[in-house]
Amino acid sequence: AQSVTQLGSHVSVSEGALVLLRCNYSSSVPPYLFWYVQYPNQGLQLLLKYTTGATLVKGINGFEAEFKKSETSFHLTKPSAHMSDAAEYFCAGTAGFSGGYQKVTFGTGTKLQVIP
Amino acid sequence: EAGVTQFPSHSVIEKGQTVTLRCDPISGHDNLYWYRRVMGKEIKFLLHFVKESKQDESGMPNNRFLAERTGGTYSTLKVQPAELEDSGVYFCASSQQGFGYTFGSGTRLTVV
Repeated sequence: AQSVTQLGSHVSVSEGALVLLRCNYSSSVPPYLFWYVQYPNQGLQLLLKYTTGATLVKGINGFEAEFKKSETSFHLTKPSAHMSDAAEYFCAGTAGFSGGYQKVTFGTGTKLQVIP
Repeated sequence: EAGVTQFPSHSVIEKGQTVTLRCDPISGHDNLYWYRRVMGKEIKFLLHFVKESKQDESGMPNNRFLAERTGGTYSTLKVQPAELEDSGVYFCASSQQGFGYTFGSGTRLTVV
């Protein structure tokens, strides 16, 4: 079964500092992994996804994540935090197609606070 | 193109009442999903429609929840009767193929 663990329900960084949000997965099969962001009063927006191929995935708004199979991790990073990055971030994964669709498992979310 | 639309955005009801949530997927998307987030916990899968058929409803909590998708277009999720533990944010998503989930902004349900 697929499970996703996010380390840290709240993370605070200074504006301009590195953003690092941690995610580990467990899966008996190679996973497909995602990071979503939710801004206040908005829906879940896909930041980036890993399916196959290159393990370093670049997403929107300057975010990227690296799939590390040996560490079962998919941490999200951004070199320099901006005030507009303040939001809640969700790591998610799926073992792939099961019955012809993807059933996604989410982590519990990490709220990112950016301090001016 | 219009995104996934959910309404109401907020609903406050008393325990024992009935509430119906609606989701309008992106036009032409055959796949429609419902997810729920109970406060402080992870977002959990409820069910999946392919057109008007329920493909998987393994995440539905109990028989107080009823989901329908009329003619393969919009979907409704009815909770009857509502209990306190049903409070949370209900998300709808749609996709056509691949991993292109598009989520709605959610309905925040509060049962008092």
